[in-house]
Amino acid sequence: VIWMTQSPSLLSASTGDRVTISCRMSQGISSYLAWYQQKPGKAPELLIYAASTLQSGVPSRFSGSGSGTDFTLTISCLQSEDFATYYCQQYYSFPWTFGQGTKVEIK
Amino acid sequence: EVQLVQSGAEVKKPGESLKISCKGSGYSFTSYWIGWVRQMPGKGLEWMGIIYPGDSDTRYSPSFQGQVTISADKSISTAYLQWSSLKASDTAMYYCASGPVAGGGGYFDYWGQGTLVTVSS
Repeated sequence: VIWMTQSPSLLSASTGDRVTISCRMSQGISSYLAWYQQKPGKAPELLIYAASTLQSGVPSRFSGSGSGTDFTLTISCLQSEDFATYYCQQYYSFPWTFGQGTKVEIK
Repeated sequence: EVQLVQSGAEVKKPGESLKISCKGSGYSFTSYWIGWVRQMPGKGLEWMGIIYPGDSDTRYSPSFQGQVTISADKSISTAYLQWSSLKASDTAMYYCASGPVAGGGGYFDYWGQGTLVTVSS
């Protein structure tokens, strides 16, 4: 099983801030990583796959980077609609797994 | 338009059985993984397992192996998650989600609306 450490678990930020969320793997996963956004009471939505490929329709202020064991999700200029919880997911080997989540809240 | 439509909320007693469903439309059901994800109240996402409806290849997380059964009926483009004996700790929202197999797939680009399962005596 590949263990994932997502940090921070809680991030307080203001509109317009640049924020970064980290996801670290217990072993290398090449670029088999996705990022999701989940708002309260809603299903998750795919933001990024293959570590850095933006899903169609996702604003360009979202970006992903990294490969191997260390990955980052960056929101370049936080908007009000971005306050949500974010999850990483590895799909390099079974069982696929999710990170613990990062809640981005208003500062 | 791709859609995954899940069955409605369920309230069950401990020890009862349950089968919830996820119907896909707008895409080739047999060519994409369908996965199930648990979210307990106030908690994060947990990957439970997936099925490839094309050949019924099924993989489970060790945490859920033996606790649930994932299946699919490709003739009606529907995947299922079932329990033979529910526990109170199975109370959660359950999401189905689909994703590509080809090109290094494994992420979920379409999600159902979720099915809330409540297990209480």
